[in-house]
Amino acid sequence: SAVISQKPSRDICQRGTSLTIQCQVDSQVTMMFWYRQQPGQSLTLIATANQGSEATYESGFVIDKFPISRPNLTFSTLTVSNMSPEDSSIYLCSATGTTKETQYFGPGTRLLVL
Amino acid sequence: QKEVEQNSGPLSVPEGAIASLNCTYSDRGSQSFFWYRQYSGKSPELIMFIYSNGDKEDGRFTAQLNKASQYVSLLIRDSQPSDSATYLCAVPPGGSGNTGKLIFGQGTTLQVKP
Repeated sequence: SAVISQKPSRDICQRGTSLTIQCQVDSQVTMMFWYRQQPGQSLTLIATANQGSEATYESGFVIDKFPISRPNLTFSTLTVSNMSPEDSSIYLCSATGTTKETQYFGPGTRLLVL
Repeated sequence: QKEVEQNSGPLSVPEGAIASLNCTYSDRGSQSFFWYRQYSGKSPELIMFIYSNGDKEDGRFTAQLNKASQYVSLLIRDSQPSDSATYLCAVPPGGSGNTGKLIFGQGTTLQVKP
């Protein structure tokens, strides 16, 4: 299975600021995704990170708020822009291998917005 | 109707018993089904996936799929206190091709009491 790391592991931010989260996978993967897990909730898919092109966003998520980059097969970033307390959540990066059968998750980034 | 539904629990079983976790899904086009385990404060960990009707066994875990009734279950035999976690059912949206996307249920919290 792929080993996925994320930076930072946690952060406390002021409202109105932006935070960029990095995701690195130790091997080549096919798909990379970003999920959000709000307190006490399940996971919600934000977007699919596409290599070298714009991410594909799910309903309710927009590029201006959550810009995503994926410059190569193993690295992606998610920016949470103009943060508000409602953005306080865990943000998780995930990746699938060549068969796309299994999806693995990074350790997550815990974000608290004051 | 939610796309993927689970009873949030908590489901409490004594140590050594069989824990039965259930998940129903609404999209008849879904072809594959995943179970993740999430310990408190940790990211989801893939424990089982199943594509075909019937049972799939892996150690103490058995996944059961019934596509006609649109449910998938996870049985944990000889439950241990270390199995206490939230179990998430995840289903790719049907008809979306092999995009790797997953829709997660709310998760069932399992408590195994010594």
